[in-house]
Amino acid sequence: GIQVEQSPPDLILQEGANSTLRCNFSDSVNNLQWFHQNPWGQLINLFYIPSGTKQNGRLSATTVATERYSLLYISSSQTTDSGVYFCAPCNYQLIWGAGTKLIIKP
Amino acid sequence: EPEVTQTPSHQVTQMGQEVILRCVPISNHLYFYWYRQILGQKVEFLVSFYNNEISEKSEIFDDQFSVERPDGSNFTLKIRSTKLEDSAMYFCASSLAGAEFYNEQFFGPGTRLTVL
Repeated sequence: GIQVEQSPPDLILQEGANSTLRCNFSDSVNNLQWFHQNPWGQLINLFYIPSGTKQNGRLSATTVATERYSLLYISSSQTTDSGVYFCAPCNYQLIWGAGTKLIIKP
Repeated sequence: EPEVTQTPSHQVTQMGQEVILRCVPISNHLYFYWYRQILGQKVEFLVSFYNNEISEKSEIFDDQFSVERPDGSNFTLKIRSTKLEDSAMYFCASSLAGAEFYNEQFFGPGTRLTVL
């Protein structure tokens, strides 16, 4: 099956910093989603991005499907950005990476 | 904004008991899913459901598990005889379309199942 690798596994930043999270996947996929899992365990949809670039406020994402990777950019980090960020490529089901645990310190 | 809802938020049960986890998908969605996340681990796919039948299931989804859409709004996951290793957060999700089309999946808040 498709393998999903996310990097880095852990990231600790000061408030206001920028960050780039990477997701590599081993085979072609139809679609890809990014999620934020908050400290209460809820999965929040960030982006549905099979290819190209999308922006939503301080967050943006880019997927290069032909090279099998996606990037999530977080600018001007806030403490509320803390949590785990999951990349999930999708064919008929979402295939989840192990996530990047992000801690934003005030 | 439409959202997926799940009940209960937390369920505690004794090993060997049956549990039913309930979900109300977004009303115009046609595809429904269950995922689970054991504490500290990645999210795992269990099953997808379309047109009143299972369309895909993982190796985890064995004979102890079943899904049902008993009416026009609810989607349930039943675990017949719970085991300690079934303790996890269970997420329901729904999407408007299948994999070949725009199929963004939207997730409920989860049910935390604790098996004692």
